[in-house]
Amino acid sequence: QKEVEQDPGPLSVPEGAIVSLNCTYSNSAFQYFMWYRQYSRKGPELLMYTYSSGNKEDGRFTAQVDKSSKYISLFIRDSQPSDSATYLCAQTFNAGNMLTFGGGTRLMVKP
Amino acid sequence: EPEVTQTPSHQVTQMGQEVILRCVPISNHLYFYWYRQILGQKVEFLVSFYNNEISEKSEIFDDQFSVERPDGSNFTLKIRSTKLEDSAMYFCASSGAGSTNEKLFFGSGTQLSVL
Repeated sequence: QKEVEQDPGPLSVPEGAIVSLNCTYSNSAFQYFMWYRQYSRKGPELLMYTYSSGNKEDGRFTAQVDKSSKYISLFIRDSQPSDSATYLCAQTFNAGNMLTFGGGTRLMVKP
Repeated sequence: EPEVTQTPSHQVTQMGQEVILRCVPISNHLYFYWYRQILGQKVEFLVSFYNNEISEKSEIFDDQFSVERPDGSNFTLKIRSTKLEDSAMYFCASSGAGSTNEKLFFGSGTQLSVL
């Protein structure tokens, strides 16, 4: 069983739509959960991080962690064409430890 | 805004040659990392470095790889004898201390092409 899984997409939505991106993981020892955005041929850019279960909101982005079902989500409100990128979820056991990444979901927001 | 800087952006080398990839982490960060991404695949952890020593490494990081912090600002990844399968985008990352060291900031990467 793969440690971290994401639907590769592409996910295509019209501008202004609410986007839901999801990630499942198998290792219950993960404690920190992140979402990174990666534009083509660029490095991952940290969007959100959460510790343990619950919701966290930052502007148009909301990260949700459900540790009981090993499921994390990223919601993007009022999506913009500039949000078009690959979204990577990542997890780690402890701060400072290696990140385990999912394969990423490619999002396309059409004007 | 501070950022992680990597040079060169693209490196082409012949199989068997040594390469050194260079990184300047964010200045007040204490943890340094190398990750790589083979085209179309996941971002994979290679190594983490703290307090002038390797703190964690993956199975990928074998004897052909080494890291160094030669001065107060640079962090390098050396591949001693490159193989075709080393072709990938290599990302350097850094993070701060204490409650912020789970937030990794990545550079734009060095695309390594081994011919």
